[in-house]
Amino acid sequence: EVQLEESGGDLIQPGGSLRLSCAASGFTFSNYWMHWVRQAPGKGLVWVARIKGDGSIIRYAESVKGRFAISRDNAKSSLFLQMNSLRDEDTAIYYCARASVDGSGTFYDFWGQGTLVTVSS
Amino acid sequence: QSALTQPASVSGSPGQSITISCTGTTSDIGYYDYVSWYQQRPGTAPKLIIYEVTNRPSGISNRFSGSKSGNTASLTISGLQVDDEGDYYCKSYTRSTTYVFGTGTVVTVL
Repeated sequence: EVQLEESGGDLIQPGGSLRLSCAASGFTFSNYWMHWVRQAPGKGLVWVARIKGDGSIIRYAESVKGRFAISRDNAKSSLFLQMNSLRDEDTAIYYCARASVDGSGTFYDFWGQGTLVTVSS
Repeated sequence: QSALTQPASVSGSPGQSITISCTGTTSDIGYYDYVSWYQQRPGTAPKLIIYEVTNRPSGISNRFSGSKSGNTASLTISGLQVDDEGDYYCKSYTRSTTYVFGTGTVVTVL
């Protein structure tokens, strides 16, 4: 059974840093592109970043470029999001999502349950 | 990259059909057939219901269908059921090799 479990969310002051993790199980992690998606309280979904299975290609949304870093450890089937220079507007539930290997691979077939990051003084 | 535009809310009676539009640009929806749709119920993670504009994952009812014309994609739910209530989001791949979600639509069954 495919499972994705995020952790690391916390209350953090503006300007601070936080590292999120996503533990994957039930599939060959290194074969899949992985993404981070966030959702501010009561708001819509926003794509954040993605990383290829071997870590060789990374892309970011403009809103986080230069502040966030996505990475992975395939030996531990884990995905990470290092978040620096956090702002109030980064407050959100952060989901990790698996991109399907079927077809174009441009859609998510599994999501985690999310971890809440609150940026506030 | 601006969010794709969706109506804030759509409602219908049980058994009726509703359509949710998702409008982008020539750099995303208009350029690729890589539109997917997700259903999200309160307090839960989103769930894939349509991928690559028209395809349904296994286990998704054939009451859900997708289409695209120009820069606008659409999701149609036929035979509306109370269980269909929730938030619906479109998503598209873009020419910048990033992704963009729609603004989201709340579906209410009257």
